Amino acid sequence: AQTVTQSQPEMSVQEAETVTLSCTYDTSESDYYLFWYKQPPSRQMILVIRQEAYKQQNATENRFSVNFQKAAKSFSLKISDSQLGDAAMYFCAYRSALGGKLIFGQGTELSVKP
Amino acid sequence: DTGVSQDPRHKITKRGQNVTFRCDPISEHNRLYWYRQTLGQGPEFLTYFQNEAQLEKSRLLSDRFSAERPKGSFSTLEIQRTEQGDSAMYLCASSLEGQGRTEAFFGQGTRLTVV
Repeated sequence: AQTVTQSQPEMSVQEAETVTLSCTYDTSESDYYLFWYKQPPSRQMILVIRQEAYKQQNATENRFSVNFQKAAKSFSLKISDSQLGDAAMYFCAYRSALGGKLIFGQGTELSVKP
Repeated sequence: DTGVSQDPRHKITKRGQNVTFRCDPISEHNRLYWYRQTLGQGPEFLTYFQNEAQLEKSRLLSDRFSAERPKGSFSTLEIQRTEQGDSAMYLCASSLEGQGRTEAFFGQGTRLTVV
């Protein structure tokens, strides 16, 4: 069975600085998708960024980028120029290419200091 | 389109009572998922539908839980004989599968408190 691990329960970053959130996963599959979702307090979860396992190039969405290391089964999220609105729970998630369900990590709570 | 809608947003019930939650997905989405999230944890998969067919159920989904998506549009999740351990946020998500699309859109959830 696939598992996703986020080893940082909490992280803090100064506004305008850069922060990296870690995620590792375990799978025997070769084709899958990885996601980072953001869940602000009392608000719905939204997709931040997506990575297809067959793509070597790391995904980038504006200030958000990932470092995808397939052999190491690592998928970290880098947030550049952090903003107060980035404060939220961040979840790493795995999805098999064959199935539909998402498997989530435990989450990392990010706080942004002004 | 207003996104994924869940009703009610909050539900307080006494132990032993039955509860039913509703989820309205984004209209053209063919897949609908249910997850459960407890405080400080990531969501756990419960079940999902493609159109009206229930394709997968988690082992977490005991016999007291049942989900339906009768016409391939909205879905209901019923919990019978609720227990205190059922207290959680129940999240619904939908997606349009095919042509490489994989993004799931989430609703705001239904927070269940069993007293």
